[in-house]
Formats: sequence, structure tokens, C-alpha cells
Amino acid sequence: QKEVEQNSGPLSVPEGAIASLNCTYSDRGSQSFFWYRQYSGKSPELIMFIYSNGDKEDGRFTAQLNKASQYVSLLIRDSQPSDSATYLCAVNINAGNTPLVFGKGTRLSVIA
Amino acid sequence: DTEVTQTPKHLVMGMTNKKSLKCEQHMGHRAMYWYKQKAKKPPELMFVYSYEKLSINESVPSRFSPECPNSSLLNLHLHALQPEDSALYLCASSQGWGANTEAFFGQGTRLTVV
Repeated sequence: QKEVEQNSGPLSVPEGAIASLNCTYSDRGSQSFFWYRQYSGKSPELIMFIYSNGDKEDGRFTAQLNKASQYVSLLIRDSQPSDSATYLCAVNINAGNTPLVFGKGTRLSVIA
Repeated sequence: DTEVTQTPKHLVMGMTNKKSLKCEQHMGHRAMYWYKQKAKKPPELMFVYSYEKLSINESVPSRFSPECPNSSLLNLHLHALQPEDSALYLCASSQGWGANTEAFFGQGTRLTVV
């Protein structure tokens, strides 16, 4: 059973702080890791993907991957109230054609 | 351009109706997906098409019937649905099928079955 675990939250952070969202996965064969942001009533929006160990930065977002620990995280610097949303971690393994496995999502609330 | 377009945005249908959801992408993606999402839950995979052929059917009831007329279009035909089928239906596409390919979602169709 391939599983992706996230803390459902809500995670509350003050405006301007760093929000740290975490995700663990069970399948050691996992190769691709994605973070989607979903506002209430809207569809998921891809904001970051990471395929190699280490950090990947894009603007205020940094994805961190540690395959040995089976852990991927998303850091949001200078959090804004507009970042308040549910963040979905999704994982794909590289063993043939397999679909994304989603975590249940973490709800982030940025307090002004 | 990472746009996946779904129509309609909202749909209300009776349990005896037949309706179709449509999805279109012009990114040259060869994999297309249907997901169902209930409130406060993650997206749940229904079907995967790869190169216009059905690759995965996640044991979806036959009242949902997918169709991929060409590489840019994906339809979901609905017939004799139940109220519990009310959900957000999401279409997604990716360049390939498998690892290291990013999937992009459409805006979704909010379906209500009455």
C-alpha cells in the first residue's frame, strides 16, 4: 500500500513568517514529488515539483527532499494571507506507469 | 501555457438524466486523467488515458463512462447517477504517463445530483 502522510492542520502562522509543510511517504521507490495548492472550492494548482535530493527554490517557495528519510517539505517564506489554502503533497514512483498518490492535504491559515 | 479547460463549471442533474463533462488541453500532453474530489478530501483517481487509450479504470461504476476522442479531448459521460456522486470532477493532463512528469488540473466541474 503506497501511502502519503500529511498533518491535516490547520497550521496557523502570522503574516511574514515562514510556513513549513511536511509530507512523508511509504514507498522507497518514489521518484517524483509535487506540491499543489488548493483554495476552497477551486482546483489544485501545481506550485512546486522536485525530483532530486536537496532543496529547490522558486520565489518564496522552497521544496526540500530527503529520500533517505522519505520526507518532502514545502517552505513558504514571508507568508501572506493569500497563501491560506490547503496544500496537497503528491508522489509518483518510477516503476512503470503509475498514478500520483495524494496526501490528505494540510490546511494553512496565515493570520494578518 | 498550462491550461486545461473543463466545461461546464457547474452542473445540476437528476438521477435519470444523461450528461457529459468535457475537458480540453492544447499542450500536446499525451496522458489525461479524471479525478473525483469530495469536500475536505484529496482528489481520487477515476480514469487514466495514455495516448488515447484507457490505461487505468479504478473500479469506477459503469454509470461513469470515459471517452477520449482525440489527444486533446477527454469526456466523461454520466448516466443514472446517485446523490452521493455529487462532487468536484477534475480533469488533469501531463506530458507523459509515469514519473517525472507534472500534471496540471482544469478548473473542475461542480456536479450536483438531485
